[in-house]
Amino acid sequence: SYVLTQPPSVSVAPGQTASITCGGNNIGYRTVNWYQQKPGQAPVLVVYDDRDRPSGIPERVSGSNSGNTATLTISRVEAGDEADYYCQVWHGSSDHVVFGGGTKLTVL
Amino acid sequence: EVQLLESGGGLVQPGGSLRLSCVVSGFTFSNYAMSWVRQAPGKGLEWVSAISGSGGSTYYADSVKGRFTISRDNSKNTLYLQMNSLRVEDAAVYYCAKDLLENRSCSSTSCYDFDYWGQGTLVTVSS
Repeated sequence: SYVLTQPPSVSVAPGQTASITCGGNNIGYRTVNWYQQKPGQAPVLVVYDDRDRPSGIPERVSGSNSGNTATLTISRVEAGDEADYYCQVWHGSSDHVVFGGGTKLTVL
Repeated sequence: EVQLLESGGGLVQPGGSLRLSCVVSGFTFSNYAMSWVRQAPGKGLEWVSAISGSGGSTYYADSVKGRFTISRDNSKNTLYLQMNSLRVEDAAVYYCAKDLLENRSCSSTSCYDFDYWGQGTLVTVSS
């Protein structure tokens, strides 16, 4: 099975840049999606196809993917960005959707 | 406006069964693949199952294969998850989720991103 590894937590001060990584074997060959989930709410898609943003997601949210690591970057972090973030890929060899374990972003 | 509304959750004993439903509106249901994703209390997201727009292709996580069955009724705009032989570890909030792309063709490295989610329905498995 395909495993995606995320750091359990990331902390950042308001106005700074947060980077959340998602590691996987040759993940750069796959398209990666990212979701934000706030407590008690359903997840929200924030980046798809490595770097595209759905409508309504601000430009300060961006994604990249290369080699064995995909990264979600949030610039000029705000208190409202505090949430859990999950990466997700499709593993065609097993016909499975795979989620990372999630990263809790704390805004100090 | 796209809406997904799950129902059917509740308390069931180990070994029991439940059928979840997800009624959707605001888009042409038959043109989109759908999935079920669950989240145990305090845990991360776990994909459960997916189904193509026509219903002709279905996929399951190893943890539920042989026990759960995904289906859809495109005439009723409804997605289902039949859950049999439930285990304590199946307890979770179950979300239905819509695929981003209409009439998607999957490759080995790209398929299924979820742009709309329901509010979830809670399944509790306990004696």
